[in-house]
Amino acid sequence: QKEVEQNSGPLSVPEGAIASLNCTYSDRGSQSFFWYRQYSGKSPELIMFIYSNGDKEDGRFTAQLNKASQYVSLLIRDSQPSDSATYLCAVNTYTGKLIFGQGTTLQVKP
Amino acid sequence: NAGVTQTPKFRILKIGQSMTLQCTQDMNHNYMYWYRQDPGMGLKLIYYSVGAGITDKGEVPNGYNVSRSTTEDFPLRLELAAPSQTSVYFCASSGTSVLNEQFFGPGTRLTVL
Repeated sequence: QKEVEQNSGPLSVPEGAIASLNCTYSDRGSQSFFWYRQYSGKSPELIMFIYSNGDKEDGRFTAQLNKASQYVSLLIRDSQPSDSATYLCAVNTYTGKLIFGQGTTLQVKP
Repeated sequence: NAGVTQTPKFRILKIGQSMTLQCTQDMNHNYMYWYRQDPGMGLKLIYYSVGAGITDKGEVPNGYNVSRSTTEDFPLRLELAAPSQTSVYFCASSGTSVLNEQFFGPGTRLTVL
């Protein structure tokens, strides 16, 4: 089992819809969870991070964490074509290093 | 602040050649990292450093070496380049806690032929 798993997609949603991106992780000792956005040919940039169970909202983005189910998700409301990118889930394990999933490609169609 | 800078942006190497990828940060971050990203994949940690003079291996260290003589610089050395090292290499840095956000450089696209 991979340490951090994401569906590679592509996930296709119409403009204005809610995009839901999911990530599962295997290490129960994981402490913090990050969502990075990566445009094609560019470096990753941080969108959200979450440490505690529940929801964390920032503008159109909501991160959700369920440690019991070892599951973290990212919701993007009112999706825009500019949101089209690859979204990387990263988990900070007990070793202190970030483990990245392979990323989910999101396509927002006008 | 320039953030994290990397040079070169692109490089083509022949099998068996060596090179050094440069990484510099101006945010006074103690933690620095080197990742590689293969097409359609996530990031794999090669080496990391928690401060000047301290380095440690990540998931995929074979074929690479690093040094950290200053807080600002964290070069990655490739010895005897192989086609399997064809990838995009990202350098990143973060604050004093590993729980802090990692800031990434623009990347170096390396092809080994």
